[in-house]
Amino acid sequence: DSGVTQTPKHLITATGQRVTLRCSPRSGDLSVYWYQQSLDQGLQFLIQYYNGEERAKGNILERFSAQQFPDLHSELNLSSLELGDSALYFCASSVRTGDPYEQYFGPGTRLTVT
Amino acid sequence: AQKVTQAQTEISVVEKEDVTLDCVYETRDTTYYLFWYKQPPSGELVFLIRRNSFDEQNEISGRYSWNFQKSTSSFNFTITASQVVDSAVYFCALSVGETSGSRLTFGEGTQLTVNP
Repeated sequence: DSGVTQTPKHLITATGQRVTLRCSPRSGDLSVYWYQQSLDQGLQFLIQYYNGEERAKGNILERFSAQQFPDLHSELNLSSLELGDSALYFCASSVRTGDPYEQYFGPGTRLTVT
Repeated sequence: AQKVTQAQTEISVVEKEDVTLDCVYETRDTTYYLFWYKQPPSGELVFLIRRNSFDEQNEISGRYSWNFQKSTSSFNFTITASQVVDSAVYFCALSVGETSGSRLTFGEGTQLTVNP
């Protein structure tokens, strides 16, 4: 158990819908990262938050957004969903940015868009 | 830009064989970190090791060992006396300095199957 929790574990929804994925980092970790794992794109970095502020952005679509709250949990919002958004979404956390401590990953949320 | 290449898409071995997973990376940064993660069939990503660019000393942890060679930009992973429980997808990853945050750039992964 990495100490990072993600909910829900599975999510099935229809095209055009909006969903929210939630992540709670390990106790004490200030950085939260979101990654997408799909068959055609592999494991891709989406976005990073550090202590409530956006720190780095990767290949995140404009239809996707994220935030980190004062209690350090994070949410990834996916809107206008398309079939191609079906993937496993991972959240990871680490102690601080700038010094890439190992990132501990949550169990992931498997999103299926039908 | 950073890039990680794992040329071996799939490897199949028989239990007790040794197996080496290759990883080649590209970066212009002089300070970087290399990682290996394991993804078993259950889907979670399990951290295995982190090395920084200034430490080329090889590391051994039980049946696992890692060979880091800056001259060839490689960070290979060897499992000695493989076991069925080692069956998983293994990812090599790279992270660079502070200016770009601590994002991980992953390779494509190597599916390792250990047969009894």
